[in-house]
Amino acid sequence: EAQVTQNPRYLITVTGKKLTVTCSQNMNHEYMSWYRQDPGLGLRQIYYSMNVEVTDKGDVPEGYKVSRKEKRNFPLILESPSPNQTSLYFCATLGSDTDTQYFGPGTRLTVL
Amino acid sequence: QQQVKQSPQSLIVQKGGIPIINCAYENTAFDYFPWYQQFPGKGPALLIAIRPDVSEKKEGRFTISFNKSAKQFSLHIMDSQPGDSATYFCAASSSGYSTLTFGKGTMLLVSP
Repeated sequence: EAQVTQNPRYLITVTGKKLTVTCSQNMNHEYMSWYRQDPGLGLRQIYYSMNVEVTDKGDVPEGYKVSRKEKRNFPLILESPSPNQTSLYFCATLGSDTDTQYFGPGTRLTVL
Repeated sequence: QQQVKQSPQSLIVQKGGIPIINCAYENTAFDYFPWYQQFPGKGPALLIAIRPDVSEKKEGRFTISFNKSAKQFSLHIMDSQPGDSATYFCAASSSGYSTLTFGKGTMLLVSP
């Protein structure tokens, strides 16, 4: 079964405490991406990766880092979280066919 | 910044009605136009997508209409059911699917 997993699913943290949200896929997809979803703003792309060791900025990359050391994993790193990064985060993958896309279940992050 | 403008923000229809959600874009380089369905507490799921070489695409009860000259595309849901109640997002991407720009979403409620 095609699966995108994210951990943790819920996280409450404090300003400045580094955190990592993991994303893992079992479909061998080359393309992976991170989005944040905020009320009234829809989904906005943070970073994406076309393949291992290839990452690029999306529309809202400030305050985030990513890495892609292996095809299946694409962690999102917040080195110094701030309250404006409180949001719902989704990881997504894309296969060679653009109709083969999967989103993870989401990570709800609250930064106090 | 590239934009995709989606309307309406919310929509209520009776069962069996045909809700129509509209999107407009500015960037003529966009060549892939997907629609996503999102249920509460879940990640978005690809519903249907179209490329500009066709003016209409149907998959089951879902139809995309595309007007290249007007730079608009819309989602029609035939014979809508209460189970279709969800948030719908349009999006657009240029060739290579590097970045995906989303509309802000439409909350659809189909009343029994």
